[in-house]
Amino acid sequence: AQTVTQSQPEMSVQEAETVTLSCTYDTSESNYYLFWYKQPPSRQMILVIRQEAYKQQNATENRFSVNFQKAAKSFSLKISDSQLGDTAMYFCAFMKRRSGNTPLVFGKGTRLSVIA
Amino acid sequence: NAGVTQTPKFQVLKTGQSMTLQCAQDMNHNSMYWYRQDPGMGLRLIYYSASEGTTDKGEVPNGYNVSRLNKREFSLRLESAAPSQTSVYFCASSDEGQGYNEQFFGPGTRLTVL
Repeated sequence: AQTVTQSQPEMSVQEAETVTLSCTYDTSESNYYLFWYKQPPSRQMILVIRQEAYKQQNATENRFSVNFQKAAKSFSLKISDSQLGDTAMYFCAFMKRRSGNTPLVFGKGTRLSVIA
Repeated sequence: NAGVTQTPKFQVLKTGQSMTLQCAQDMNHNSMYWYRQDPGMGLRLIYYSASEGTTDKGEVPNGYNVSRLNKREFSLRLESAAPSQTSVYFCASSDEGQGYNEQFFGPGTRLTVL
């Protein structure tokens, strides 16, 4: 079974600064995807960024980037130039890469507060 | 496109009552999922349906039943609600078409069992 661990229950960052959220996972699968989801107070789950395990290059989406270390099974999210709208719960998630669709396995989340 | 819709948005039940949470998607996705979210626990899979006509248990299926009514709709039923089922419930759908099975989530249902 796969497990996802987010060791930081809460974090805070000053507006315009950079923050890194940590995520580690455990799996025996060789092909998989990793995701970061954002959940603002509205409760809606929003996909922030995805990484395919077979790609060595780290994914980036505007101010969001990841540091994917496959051997260490680590997948951290860096948010640059933090904005007040980044305040949210952030979930790291794992998905097996199989033919067909497979469910997500989530970490417990990190609550991020951006301070003006 | 409405994406994934869930009804109701909020519900209060008494212990022992039953109810069905409805979920529908208009993206022609094959797979649909039910998760629950509890404080400090993240989202956990209750049941999923990889395709119309199939359902499988997830991590926390006890106390729930599901029905994949057709390709669009996937309902979650609580036959005899318990306070431990107080939670926020999310429905999601996905399709392999883009190669990475991105899951799209509904807005959630906040359920309180007294």
